[in-house]
Parts: sequence; C-alpha cells; structure tokens
Amino acid sequence: DVKVTQSSRYLVKRTGEKVFLECVQDMDHENMFWYRQDPGLGLRLIYFSYDVKMKEKGDIPEGYSVSREKKERFSLILESASTNQTSMYLCASSSLYTNGGTEAFFGQGTRLTVV
Amino acid sequence: GEDVEQSLFLSVREGDSSVINCTYTDSSSTYLYWYKQEPGAGLQLLTYIFSNMDMKQDQRLTVLLNKKDKHLSLRIADTQTGDSAIYFCAESMGSNDYKLSFGAGTTVTVRA
Repeated sequence: DVKVTQSSRYLVKRTGEKVFLECVQDMDHENMFWYRQDPGLGLRLIYFSYDVKMKEKGDIPEGYSVSREKKERFSLILESASTNQTSMYLCASSSLYTNGGTEAFFGQGTRLTVV
Repeated sequence: GEDVEQSLFLSVREGDSSVINCTYTDSSSTYLYWYKQEPGAGLQLLTYIFSNMDMKQDQRLTVLLNKKDKHLSLRIADTQTGDSAIYFCAESMGSNDYKLSFGAGTTVTVRA
C-alpha cells in the first residue's frame, strides 16, 4: 500500500517559533509538494521539489522554506510562525504516467495552530 | 487556485445523481482531475480525463469535458452516504504535467 506519511496530525506552536513539518514517501517518487488548505480557498501550493536538493516556489512561498536532502523526505519550515499560518498542511508526492498525466498521493495532513 | 473555480456546496438526496461543476481558465491544460477528500483524510484521485476527450465513464462516475467553454463536470450516479466528502477539480499543464492547480473544493452532503 503506497504511503505518504506526515510526522504529526496536530501541532500547536507559539508565535515566533521555528516549526518543522516532515513528510516521507515510500513510492520512490521524484516530485514532492507542500500545500496548505483553508476553507473556501482550496489547496494552495507553497513549494515543490522535482529532485533531491531541488526546490521551486509555488503560489504562496512567503514565510516558508523547504528542504529535500533525500528523495523520500521533504520538509516544510516555518522560519518564524505567525497566526496567519494557522492552517491544514498537506504533503503530496507524484510521478508522471508513461502516457502522460500524473497522480498525486497525499498524506493525511497536519493541522497547525499558531497561538 | 484562482485558475480553477467550483461552487462550494452541494446537497443531494441519497439515491439521486450528483453533478459537481468546475471551470478552468488555462486552455493549455492537458489533463483535468477529480480528487476526493473524506473527513480527516488527505486527497485521493478519483478519475482524470485527457483534454482531447469529451467524456469518460468509470462505474458510477461520469466526467464530461467541454473544452470550448473550459467546463468540467463530475456526475455521481446513485449517490450514497459514503460519497459525502469534498471534491476537488484540478488541472495540469503541458510541460509541467506534474504540477497540479486545484479549485476550492465542493462539499457534497448526502441526506437520507
């Protein structure tokens, strides 16, 4: 059974803390993604990576950074957490189908509350 | 995502058909997808359609694509309580096939 595992389901952090969200996939996928999910806004892409040590900004990268030192692990870092970063964070991995298109596999999400 | 739009809520009676609609703006979209998110879970791919197709059927699911109007729909026949979830429309584009852009999601509530 394919898996994308996020290290925490729920986190509560204080304003100004440095926060690490970890994600591991066991499918040997090249591509990994971090999204945040907010009601009425859907999923917004924060950062993605298409290879080890490679990263690209998504639509809302401000206040975040990422690290991909190994193929199976993609970390999201909140350098100095703020209350507007309270959200559900979803990690995903994917590879391309040989005939085109892609399927993204998602973790269960981390609900982060910044107080 | 701002490029993909969906209505936010749909309520349907058990046994009826559900139709979820989506519009997208990028005519270079090569694939369009429907994902399902059940409570407390991540998203799971339901079905997808290549942009040169008009229709795709998979058991109770029918996807219709009107490329001229940039309109995508998902029809669920004989809707069951287990179909209650959030449904996301998504697109991927040309050279960036692996990068998905999602709509806001439609919350489907199935009532008895």
